[in-house]
Amino acid sequence: EPEVTQTPSHQVTQMGQEVILRCVPISNHLYFYWYRQILGQKVEFLVSFYNNEISEKSEIFDDQFSVERPDGSNFTLKIRSTKLEDSAMYFCASTEDWTGYSNQPQHFGDGTRLSIL
Amino acid sequence: SQQGEEDPQALSIQEGENATMNCSYKTSINNLQWYRQNSGRGLVHLILIRSNEREKHSGRLRVTLDTSKKSSSLLITASRAADTASYFCAWRPTGRRALTFGSGTRLQVQP
Repeated sequence: EPEVTQTPSHQVTQMGQEVILRCVPISNHLYFYWYRQILGQKVEFLVSFYNNEISEKSEIFDDQFSVERPDGSNFTLKIRSTKLEDSAMYFCASTEDWTGYSNQPQHFGDGTRLSIL
Repeated sequence: SQQGEEDPQALSIQEGENATMNCSYKTSINNLQWYRQNSGRGLVHLILIRSNEREKHSGRLRVTLDTSKKSSSLLITASRAADTASYFCAWRPTGRRALTFGSGTRLQVQP
């Protein structure tokens, strides 16, 4: 069964450094998402992306965050100047439907654990 | 806030017993989905129920949805030790693409 893959599985970075988290969504999927889960807390939505544009973002997704689809397969989340509170598990997800409103499930990757020192 | 709650927060049962988890939300929704998360791993999609559906089955899973009460439940029948995980409900609010997640239930199935 097709999977969403994320790399790296664990990233350790010094505070203030830039980090790029990578995702390969399922190949025929058109809507992509990033979520994060701080240890012991709920999963929180960050941003959704369709047709090379951000379609929706949360309050968490401020100017230090950016997303990009640099080629036909990868979807990246960049954090420009990391803070201690950015430490979390970051999940990429994708869904098949082009409207984003239909009743298709979102498929998640295994996540990248980001640790800021 | 569009957040909701899940209860119980933790549930410990014996293998073979049924496990019921409840989810409440606060907005109108397009659908509600249940996910499983093994410790330190990703979210595995279990089942999706649409806002115009009341009940759905998939193998040992049974999901109900009551939109008038803004609540859903997940029943796992004949539980197995391998069902030990955290279970999250997540709903798609009407007019939005993103999922809003509940706080999750940690299920422990004792062999």
